[in-house]
Amino acid sequence: SAVISQKPSRDICQRGTSLTIQCQVDSQVTMMFWYRQQPGQSLTLIATANQGSEATYESGFVIDKFPISRPNLTFSTLTVSNMSPEDSSIYLCSTESNQKGYFGPGTRLTVL
Amino acid sequence: GENVEQHPSTLSVQEGDSAVIKCTYSDSASNYFPWYKQELGKRPQLIIDIRSNVGEKKDQRIAVTLNKTAKHFSLHITETQPEDSAVYFCAASYGQKLVFGTGTRLLVSP
Repeated sequence: SAVISQKPSRDICQRGTSLTIQCQVDSQVTMMFWYRQQPGQSLTLIATANQGSEATYESGFVIDKFPISRPNLTFSTLTVSNMSPEDSSIYLCSTESNQKGYFGPGTRLTVL
Repeated sequence: GENVEQHPSTLSVQEGDSAVIKCTYSDSASNYFPWYKQELGKRPQLIIDIRSNVGEKKDQRIAVTLNKTAKHFSLHITETQPEDSAVYFCAASYGQKLVFGTGTRLLVSP
């Protein structure tokens, strides 16, 4: 299985600022996924990040709000830009290993 | 569209009873169906999965069944234990991504 770590584990941010979340995988993977999980809700895919190409965003999510980097096969970042209280959520990265999906521990974001 | 429905939203059982959670999906091209368990404050953990070339898969007290014709798949937990209490999510593949169901909160009472 893939071992995935995320930083920070949690943060409290002010409205209008930006936060960059880092995701590190212990092995090289082709695709990395970024999800949002609002309190008590399911997992919603934000975007898919492949190394060497632009991320693919799901309906309702745009690059200006959630820019993603994928500089190599073990690392990705998600930035939540110009934050508002509605962005308060848990953000999780995910990847596949041996055709099975694994999640990072998540970043709990609170926007005041 | 890409849609996965999951029922029930909450399920309460007595320890030792069985629990069944059902999901339906919309795209006949979906071919991978994992189930995740999420304990409070933790990340989702893959507990079992099934691919479209198989109708049933079992792992100790957990089993998953798939009916491709009806686009249904179900999670079965037998001999439930209090540590099975968690939120369970089904998912279906749509191309290279997964679409998740809305989740089932399972409570197993001693």
